[in-house]
Amino acid sequence: NAGVTQTPKFQVLKTGQSMTLQCAQDMNHEYMSWYRQDPGMGLRLIHYSVGAGITDQGEVPNGYNVSRSTTEDFPLRLLSAAPSQTSVYFCASSYIAGAYEQYFGPGTRLTVT
Amino acid sequence: QQQVKQSPQSLIVQKGGISIINCAYENTAFDYFPWYQQFPGKGPALLIAIRPDVSEKKEGRFTISFNKSAKQFSLHIMDSQPGDSATYFCAAGRGTGANNLFFGTGTRLTVIP
Repeated sequence: NAGVTQTPKFQVLKTGQSMTLQCAQDMNHEYMSWYRQDPGMGLRLIHYSVGAGITDQGEVPNGYNVSRSTTEDFPLRLLSAAPSQTSVYFCASSYIAGAYEQYFGPGTRLTVT
Repeated sequence: QQQVKQSPQSLIVQKGGISIINCAYENTAFDYFPWYQQFPGKGPALLIAIRPDVSEKKEGRFTISFNKSAKQFSLHIMDSQPGDSATYFCAAGRGTGANNLFFGTGTRLTVIP
């Protein structure tokens, strides 16, 4: 199993550009989520999904969209990038919602200039 | 508002010493408390987790101590090794329903040989 994969690994955007961060898992997990990691802020939840077709907002959803058309994929879209979105983004998945281990991807380092 | 407060921000320990990282939470509905370990350039990975029905859980050199009345929990790393040098995140959440975890701000541990 590849686990949780994320692409790209690094990305530089100009303010106002849009892009999609890809996330896929091959463990048949129902729950998937996106976090951003900033120095001194820990990991903050952006959006999450408890199954295909179901998404909801986390702590910091503004400026981001998600969709979940399949169990495997959970892309994160930045609609109009801003310097405040410079961060490291992690996708995670777990078996189902509840007290289960979350498996994290390797992360995408995004810089917005 | 930070749901989970973590300290210290950084920690330097001699090889063979004990590393202690502390966390506190406010929401009494939380009933799942995991610790994640993150090496540079990697995603976080689950290290150990505890439910509030026990006051301590030990796995090898890693122990979680839990104080429900004080709403605090801590990670103890016994016989710390240079390979333990990493960033550690505590987290808290509800074990049922949406598996949304709230993470602490992280502790960067350096174990000196």
